[in-house]
Amino acid sequence: DQQVKQNSPSLSVQEGRISILNCDYTNSMFDYFLWYKKYPAEGPTFLISISSIKDKNEDGRFTVFLNKSAKHLSLHIVPSQPGDSAVYFCAARPNNNAGNMLTFGGGTRLMVKP
Amino acid sequence: EPEVTQTPSHQVTQMGQEVILRCVPISNHLYFYWYRQILGQKVEFLVSFYNNEISEKSEIFDDQFSVERPDGSNFTLKIRSTKLEDSAMYFCASSEALAGLKPQHFGDGTRLSIL
Repeated sequence: DQQVKQNSPSLSVQEGRISILNCDYTNSMFDYFLWYKKYPAEGPTFLISISSIKDKNEDGRFTVFLNKSAKHLSLHIVPSQPGDSAVYFCAARPNNNAGNMLTFGGGTRLMVKP
Repeated sequence: EPEVTQTPSHQVTQMGQEVILRCVPISNHLYFYWYRQILGQKVEFLVSFYNNEISEKSEIFDDQFSVERPDGSNFTLKIRSTKLEDSAMYFCASSEALAGLKPQHFGDGTRLSIL
C-alpha cells in the first residue's frame, strides 16, 4: 500500500534549527491528515492535524502545511529540540470513510543533535 | 492526561493457539480501533468499532480475527488460531464521538510473538 509515502527514512538536524518532514499521498479522497510521533516501545502520539479545507495549521513549535494540488504535506518543527528525536508518521483518512481508517506512511526517523 | 492502556505489553503464544489482546480506551471516546505493525513495515489498519459493531475492516481482518467490547471499559481483539505471520505490534486506538476531525489516540501496544 503506497497511498501515503514518506520518502526520507531519516533526518538529522542541529538543535535550534528547523526540522522539515515530508509526506506525499496519491489518494485524492483523503481529507484529513495527521502527524504522529513515536518513541521506541511506545505507541504513536498525536501531534497535529489538518483538514483538507486548510493549507496550514500551527500549534506551538509544530506547523503542518498542506499542498493539495501537489498531494504533499510537511511538518515543520521550529526550533528543534533533542527531545524531538523520534520516528514521525504521517497518516491520512479519506472523506468517504465511515470507519475512520487511517493510512500511514512508513515514518521518518528524526535525530536532533545537541 | 487520559490515555489508552493495553495489556499485556508482550504476549508469547504457540502457533495455532488463541490469543486475546486487551485495551481500555479513553473513557469518553466512542470509536475504537485496532492497528498492527509488523517489524520493519508500516502501521496497518485492522478494524474500527462503533456502537457495538464493526464500522470497517481491512483485508487483514479475516475470519480468524474478532473484536468485542465485553463491558463499558474494555475493548478486545481475539485471534482464534494464530499463525507465525501474526507476529507484530498491535496498537489499540480510540477517538471521540464526532470522529470526523478528531484524532485517534493510541496505546503503547502489545508485542505479539508467535512461536
